[in-house]
Amino acid sequence: KAGVTQTPRYLIKTRGQQVTLSCSPISGHRSVSWYQQTPGQGLQFLFEYFSETQRNKGNFPGRFSGRQFSNSRSEMNVSTLELGDSALYLCASSSRAGGRDEQFFGPGTRLTVL
Amino acid sequence: KNEVEQSPQNLTAQEGEFITINCSYSVGISALHWLQQHPGGGIVSLFMLSSGKKKHGRLIATINIQEKHSSLHITASHPRDSAVYICAVNSGGGADGLTFGKGTHLIIQP
Repeated sequence: KAGVTQTPRYLIKTRGQQVTLSCSPISGHRSVSWYQQTPGQGLQFLFEYFSETQRNKGNFPGRFSGRQFSNSRSEMNVSTLELGDSALYLCASSSRAGGRDEQFFGPGTRLTVL
Repeated sequence: KNEVEQSPQNLTAQEGEFITINCSYSVGISALHWLQQHPGGGIVSLFMLSSGKKKHGRLIATINIQEKHSSLHITASHPRDSAVYICAVNSGGGADGLTFGKGTHLIIQP
């Protein structure tokens, strides 16, 4: 069974630009969650999608958005990038929503904002 | 909002030692996750538990719901166990997604 994949793996952008990250979950998984990891704040929950609907959202500004497609693939978008958005962005898929099932993590996308 | 505290933050031990990492949380939960993160960023789920005890190989995880506390034990530790171990909780109803501890940086020396 193929694992969770994320593209791209590395990304360098400049302030003010926007970026789109992609996550393909394990086949059959309908829940995709996104997380941001920084040295200062650690891992933080961004949002969760289940069956194309945003189920939960963390405490992040509206510049962070996402969506999920009918095949469960998910994208997250960050507009008007700031230096502080530099981070490792991880997605995780699971069978059930709400963190009540084992989470399978992708390798992450490392975003650097210059 | 659930607060998740892990201890110790850093731990260096010799190969073969018994390792314990602790996690406490402030609000009742529906599930607790133990995760392992190696250098380079990849995260692997070790356990998900809501009560009692689970064992997988040399790893054991326990949870005490009344005391809002969980422990991760590693028996016969090995240098390949060197990693960051992260505790995460799902508060009841899953309304806020997972809340994470800051992690425990474990180094096992040969």
